[in-house]
This record gives sequence, C-alpha cells and structure tokens, in this order.
Amino acid sequence: QKEVEQNSGPLSVPEGAIASLNCTYSDRGSQSFFWYRQYSGKSPELIMSIYSNGDKEDGRFTAQLNKASQYVSLLIRDSQPSDSATYLCALGAGGGNKLTFGTGTQLKVEL
Amino acid sequence: EADIYQTPRYLVIGTGKKITLECSQTMGHDKMYWYQQDPGMELHLIHYSYGVNSTEKGDLSSESTVSRIRTEHFPLTLESARPSHTSQYLCASSESTRGNTGELFFGEGSRLTVL
Repeated sequence: QKEVEQNSGPLSVPEGAIASLNCTYSDRGSQSFFWYRQYSGKSPELIMSIYSNGDKEDGRFTAQLNKASQYVSLLIRDSQPSDSATYLCALGAGGGNKLTFGTGTQLKVEL
Repeated sequence: EADIYQTPRYLVIGTGKKITLECSQTMGHDKMYWYQQDPGMELHLIHYSYGVNSTEKGDLSSESTVSRIRTEHFPLTLESARPSHTSQYLCASSESTRGNTGELFFGEGSRLTVL
C-alpha cells in the first residue's frame, strides 16, 4: 500500500462546477497536510495547507481533513479552465521536514 | 514569489559524463531538498539538508551526491551519468519551523536526458 493514495484521473468537470479531489494516507503520525498544484512541465506550487481536523477555506479552495478516517480532500468551487492541472497531495510527519507526495490527480475543467 | 533557481533547465548529455545540477535560493532557508520526478509519477525525495555541512539521503536511492557548503547553495552531482538517470530533478527549500513541516518552495526544475 502506498503511503499516499490519489486517483490519477483525469477528473473532468464543467466550468463553474465544484471539483472534489481526494487523498488517503496510511501513516497515522502525519500531522501536516498540503495540496500542491502542478501545471504540465512546471514545478509544484502550494495552494493549501491544513494541520487540524475540519475545513479550511481560502478563496475558491477548501481543504478538508479527517485524521480518524485518514483522508484529506480539496474542493475547488467555481472551477475555471485555468484550474486544469495535476493536484498533488503531500504529508509531513510531526516535527519532521520531509514531505511524502502522492502521484497526483489530473483535473480538467472543460468549457 | 519563490526565489529559488536551478540551472541548467534542460541538459542532454552522453553516457559516462559527469554533471552537476545547480540550485540556489535567496530566502535564507536552512532546509533544502532534491526531488526526482518522472512523467506522471510522484515526486521522490533523493537528498535533503537541514543546514550547512548537513546532508542526508532521501527515501529513493540515488547514485547522485550533494553538498551544502553555503546556506544558499545545494548542488547535485552525478559522477557518471547513465540513461536510467534521465528524469526531472526538482530542488526545493523551506524555513526552519518548530513542529509542523513548513511550505516547500520549488525551483523550476532541471530536465536531464542521458543518451
């Protein structure tokens, strides 16, 4: 079992819809959770971080964390074509500074 | 905007050559990392450093080596490149934080092709 599991997609949503991206993890010691966006041929860039159970909202993005069920999700409201990218889930263990990445979910927002 | 730079961006070389991928950051970050990423695959940590004269191997075994003589500079070297080393190499840095892992800032990457 991989440490970080993501559906590779592609996940296709129409413009203006809500895109829901999910990530499950195996290490119960994980304490830091991140969503990175990676455009084709580019480097990852951080879009959300979440450290405690519940929801965290930032503009059109909402991260949701459930440590008991070991999953973290990212919701993108009012999806735009510019949101089309691969979204990487990443975890950090407490006190550590190394991140473990998932393979990413490819999102396609269609006009 | 992240101030972390990688050179070269693209490199095509023959088997057996020695190569060095450069990475520099101007943010004063103590922690620096090298990740390797193949198309459609996850990022794998191959080296990291928590400060000057500190280097550790990552989760993915790599024949490359790194050095950290200055805070801002974290070069990666392959003594004898092989086709299996063909990949995208991403350098990243982060601030020292107590407790939780901080945000990683990535460079634009170095795409290496070994013929």
